Amino acid sequence: DAMVIQNPRYQVTQFGKPVTLSCSQTLNHNVMYWYQQKSSQAPKLLFHYYDKDFNNEADTPDNFQSRRPNTSFCFLDIRSPGLGDAAMYLCATSTYAGGAYNEQFFGPGTRLTVL
Amino acid sequence: KQEVTQIPAALSVPEGENLVLNCSFTDSAIYNLQWFRQDPGKGLTSLLLIQSSQREQTSGRLNASLDKSSGRSTLYIAASQPGDSATYLCAVPNSGNTPLVFGKGTRLSVIA
Repeated sequence: DAMVIQNPRYQVTQFGKPVTLSCSQTLNHNVMYWYQQKSSQAPKLLFHYYDKDFNNEADTPDNFQSRRPNTSFCFLDIRSPGLGDAAMYLCATSTYAGGAYNEQFFGPGTRLTVL
Repeated sequence: KQEVTQIPAALSVPEGENLVLNCSFTDSAIYNLQWFRQDPGKGLTSLLLIQSSQREQTSGRLNASLDKSSGRSTLYIAASQPGDSATYLCAVPNSGNTPLVFGKGTRLSVIA
């Protein structure tokens, strides 16, 4: 089945220790997104890639970086995690065609704990 | 900037009831609107996507409507079941044709 895969599902890191979360997709979608979701809050878009074009949301902290080495993979790097970065990180994909972002499909998420 | 509001924040109903979840948004110049379901600790599952040219979409017991001019959408769930218990989120583009902005969701509990 075509899908969006996130690894690991649970990640524990120490305060200030860099961490990388990974996302892969078999849908061959040209757009990939990273969201942060804290408890009982709406998912918040951090950035997205349209093909190799990187689009950063204005209020995404510099501590968060992303890489998309090819169509299938996208990584979220948190350079120096703070306690406030503990959250669920969601990866999603969609097509961009005909001038529109189309239906988004999400992975299962990575729950990040910062000690 | 687009703001999305979902009312109620939480809802508890007995099994078998029909129910309506509401979503409102401030910028009506949108290309589409998407409804999602999220189970606790899990990712989001897409339920329905409504294009701006459509007024409603149906999938099984779910029916979503869109009134762009008034900035409103509703998700109708027929004959609710305990397995429908989850948080339901509505999302629209920030403006025109841009990535999505989410509401905080409605947490639904269906009691057997």
